[in-house]
Amino acid sequence: SQQGEEDPQALSIQEGENATMNCSYKTSINNLQWYRQNSGRGLVHLILIRSNEREKHSGRLRVTLDTSKKSSSLLITASRAADTASYFCATDSFGNEKLTFGTGTRLTIIP
Amino acid sequence: AAGVIQSPRHLIKEKRETATLKCYPIPRHDTVYWYQQGPGQDPQFLISFYEKMQSDKGSIPDRFSAQQFSDYHSELNMSSLELGDSALYFCASSIGGSTEAFFGQGTRLTVV
Repeated sequence: SQQGEEDPQALSIQEGENATMNCSYKTSINNLQWYRQNSGRGLVHLILIRSNEREKHSGRLRVTLDTSKKSSSLLITASRAADTASYFCATDSFGNEKLTFGTGTRLTIIP
Repeated sequence: AAGVIQSPRHLIKEKRETATLKCYPIPRHDTVYWYQQGPGQDPQFLISFYEKMQSDKGSIPDRFSAQQFSDYHSELNMSSLELGDSALYFCASSIGGSTEAFFGQGTRLTVV
């Protein structure tokens, strides 16, 4: 069953603009992670945010987590063509380390 | 740094054949996860192992089996393949108790 849903499903922006993707989930979580996947290739871990954290930064990435709304957002600032990929959120729960993925957002950066 | 190694990268099989996918985790990682990603879909958890014992099971068909060996590598065995088994199969590894999982590049299985 699907834990997370992401919106938008697809997003196209101009290079240099900021991209924001949202993820919602249904059950209590321990951690939420964001992954990037280039077309048909492997999943690259971007950032992990714990359930007791509200915001985290890594380079051009900013992740927020609102456990009361069961949602997270991923902001990519100053986007580049190389950021074109699908982005997935994934959650795990306490005592259960398997990841449950959201549906993904397909991001296209227009040069 | 060493990453998760999966082999083969690509595999083409006919219906009803058998396939074996291999996963070599990052050194000192004791936990292995298998995920299946169908075309245009999100990855779905299949099965995981911790210290060579099955630790969790997801939506894995009975036709599939997996194990983790003494050197921590894992194999996913898939029998009586069906067209619907065509997908990307990912292996991920982590250190037990850590939820930061590192994924391999995946094996693309095509059943014809």
